[in-house]
Amino acid sequence: QVHLQESGPGLLKPSETLSLTCTVSGGSISGYYWSWIRQPPGKGLEWIAYIHYSGATNYNTSLKSRVTISVDMSKNQFSLKVNSVTAADTAVYYCARHVGDASGGGFDSWGQGTLVTVSS
Amino acid sequence: DIVLTQSPDSLAVSLGERATITCKSSQSVLYSSNNKNYLAWYQQKPGQPPKLLIYWASTRESGVPDRFSGSGSGTDFTLTISSLQAEDVAVYYCHEYYRRTFGQGTKVEIK
Repeated sequence: QVHLQESGPGLLKPSETLSLTCTVSGGSISGYYWSWIRQPPGKGLEWIAYIHYSGATNYNTSLKSRVTISVDMSKNQFSLKVNSVTAADTAVYYCARHVGDASGGGFDSWGQGTLVTVSS
Repeated sequence: DIVLTQSPDSLAVSLGERATITCKSSQSVLYSSNNKNYLAWYQQKPGQPPKLLIYWASTRESGVPDRFSGSGSGTDFTLTISSLQAEDVAVYYCHEYYRRTFGQGTKVEIK
């Protein structure tokens, strides 16, 4: 059973860079697509970006200019960076595994999520 | 962009009764390349991540109780809980996974 765990700072100031890492255990990062999804407190879900172990990426067009996703095969991890954060970036950030290919069936495994708060 | 609209926003159902949630897409999510509907349903309980229930509009994920079923095609989809149990209290989301859009969620409670 694959396990995903998000890690990173929980509090940021406006204009700082959000950096999160998802560590995958119980399975290899190879062969799958991996995404970051966020959920503002009390609100719905927003997909941010995905990456394939090969390095192929895709981004939500509304966030693309500020977001970078990367993978580290040696550590079985993938990461997210969001530049120039504002209060609107306050959310629980989840990492998740795709079923099949990039658009192959949704997300079948999720991390527990990590709350990132942007406040001065 | 595809917009998914769920209805209702919330509903209260008696234990053992049927709960029905609909999801309407602004564009068809049935793709001719494989004649499949790129539509999933998730269940999210408080303080937990979403859990995949249904994908390809009607395929139940392994381990999901058979009281959960999905139906529909093109732009109109339904998630049905045939006999609501106390543990089904949650927010349910539909998800179009070709372009990775989510519905706004439907909160299911016990009447």
